[in-house]
This record gives sequence, structure tokens and C-alpha cells, in this order.
Amino acid sequence: EAGVAQSPRYKIIEKRQSVAFWCNPISGHATLYWYQQILGQGPKLLIQFQNNGVVDDSQLPKDRFSAERLKGVDSTLKIQPAKLEDSAVYLCASGTSYGYTFGSGTRLTVV
Amino acid sequence: AQTVTQSQPEMSVQEAETVTLSCTYDTSESDYYLFWYKQPPSRQMILVIRQEAYKQQNATENRFSVNFQKAAKSFSLKISDSQLGDAAMYFCAYRMGRDDKIIFGKGTRLHILP
Repeated sequence: EAGVAQSPRYKIIEKRQSVAFWCNPISGHATLYWYQQILGQGPKLLIQFQNNGVVDDSQLPKDRFSAERLKGVDSTLKIQPAKLEDSAVYLCASGTSYGYTFGSGTRLTVV
Repeated sequence: AQTVTQSQPEMSVQEAETVTLSCTYDTSESDYYLFWYKQPPSRQMILVIRQEAYKQQNATENRFSVNFQKAAKSFSLKISDSQLGDAAMYFCAYRMGRDDKIIFGKGTRLHILP
């Protein structure tokens, strides 16, 4: 089966600019997650979708981050405006009860 | 709140030897899942092994096995016959429900010495 696709792989932006990441989960996976992984740390959940509904966004900085999952398939995560501390790898994962499959992530550098 | 603790930021092991990575977690739940994920430089998180809390038998996947001590809330990973390709970050992770979020530890960087 095809894996979780993410793009872009790398992104460099200046602070206060906006950026968007895209994720295409494994076909049939109802649950989709966005994680933020700061260098040297474990991934931290930003938002969890079940189909196109939000299950948990308690750790999403809603003043600057937004995410959507239209039609319960692809998802986009947006940051506007970006701050230096947003520099991280953004991982998308889709899951079943057995476990999650992660994409390769997008490495964001904010300068 | 559930937490996952990995007390070893880095470890090294000689090729072909055995190494054990430690993990402890805190939860008041009785039914949950535990995982070990491997993250090579490619950044992709790869599931290594999975353990259901209701199962007393320790999970095993080829050279990878766990020592699950539910009462002690300990979940260590043993890698036998270490290979150069095992070098990576290893994350211990916890999930409460079937579709709940995964909570990760801070990771252990494993070096394999030739």
C-alpha cells in the first residue's frame, strides 16, 4: 500500500511569513494527525482529525496555526505568521487501531 | 496526564551485541498500548514493535523484543545482534484508546559501533 505523502520536504521562510504543508494519508484511514517535532525532542501532537472532524486540537496555537481536512482525505496545516520557534519538522500520520503510519515530514526553518 | 520518560539520551553498542533501551510511563488507565518507533535520519517514524497492555506476553519482532512490566510501568526495548542499520533515534510511545493520540518520549539516540 502507498504510504503517507507529505510536501514540501523542506521549506525556509522568514519570520512573519506564512507557510502551508500538505498531507495525503493512507487510503481508508479515517484518523489523521499532525505532529510538531522540535530538534532533539519527541513529536508533539498538534491536531487530530477523525474523517473531516477535529477530535483534539488542544495543543494547536490557534492564533497562528490552522488545519483543515476537506472531504476527510487530504489535509493542510498552515502557519501565519511564522515565528522563529516554529522551526521544526512537521509530521503527518494516519492510523488504524494497530498503529500509525508516518510520512517523511516537512522540515521548516524560520529565519 | 499521561507521560513517557526515556532516561537515556544516547547509547552506544558494538555491532552484533545486544542493547536495551529503557522507558517508563505514567498512567492511571488499565487498557492502553505501548510502542517503540525508530526514526532514522530520513525522519520517517517506523513502527518497531507494539504491545497491548492487556497481554502479559512480551511482544517480539525478529531481533527486537520488549520487557513489559505493567505494575512497574516499564517498557524496555531489547535489540539483539545489533546491526549498523539499527542506528537511529528510538522513541517510546503510549496510546490510551484505539484511536487516541500517541504520546512520545524524548527519544534515545542509538549509535552502532563497527
